[in-house]
Amino acid sequence: SQTIHQWPATLVQPVGSPLSLECTVEGTSNPNLYWYRQAAGRGLQLLFYSVGIGQISSEVPQNLSASRPQDRQFILSSKKLLLSDSGFYLCAWSDGTVYEQYFGPGTRLTVT
Amino acid sequence: ELKVEQNPLFLSMQEGKNYTIYCNYSTTSDRLYWYRQDPGKSLESLFVLLSNGAVKQEGRLMASLDTKARLSTLHITAAVHDLSATYFCAVDIANYGQNFVFGPGTRLSVLP
Repeated sequence: SQTIHQWPATLVQPVGSPLSLECTVEGTSNPNLYWYRQAAGRGLQLLFYSVGIGQISSEVPQNLSASRPQDRQFILSSKKLLLSDSGFYLCAWSDGTVYEQYFGPGTRLTVT
Repeated sequence: ELKVEQNPLFLSMQEGKNYTIYCNYSTTSDRLYWYRQDPGKSLESLFVLLSNGAVKQEGRLMASLDTKARLSTLHITAAVHDLSATYFCAVDIANYGQNFVFGPGTRLSVLP
């Protein structure tokens, strides 16, 4: 069966510091991968999606970037965090047929 | 601009009652998904609706899709406390999984 991991689970970072969040998927190959952000009490905003290694599409201009160095690894990064980057970051994967997205446990980021 | 709307946004209901959550969207799509989120947790997939007239049921929840009306419903039958959560609908506006747009969520509270 497939599983999706995210780490860290929680993170407190000062403004201006760098960020690296990691997501890995097991039990499938060539998944579509997604990064979402959820602000407190809000819905989900799609940040990035990837259909293959090195292929990243960005949905909104922002202070963040994403990379996919391996088939089942997706990384979210920032060079300098802003207060507005605080939120709950969720990674998800889907296959190429039904496209149902399966979400990881999330990383709760607080920028202070 | 694509809009995915849900109503109500907040719902407080008594155990044993029935109610319906509505999800309206403003663009053509044949794919709609429902998710559940418990407080502080990730999203859990509930239903995948892939064509006009699709109906899925699981326990006390039933979801349907009317692509012509651009409307999906999530019907709750004889609510129990365990159903308390936030429910999100998501529309696949690209129809191939690369761009999900989520509604704002409906926060359901089932009271004894």
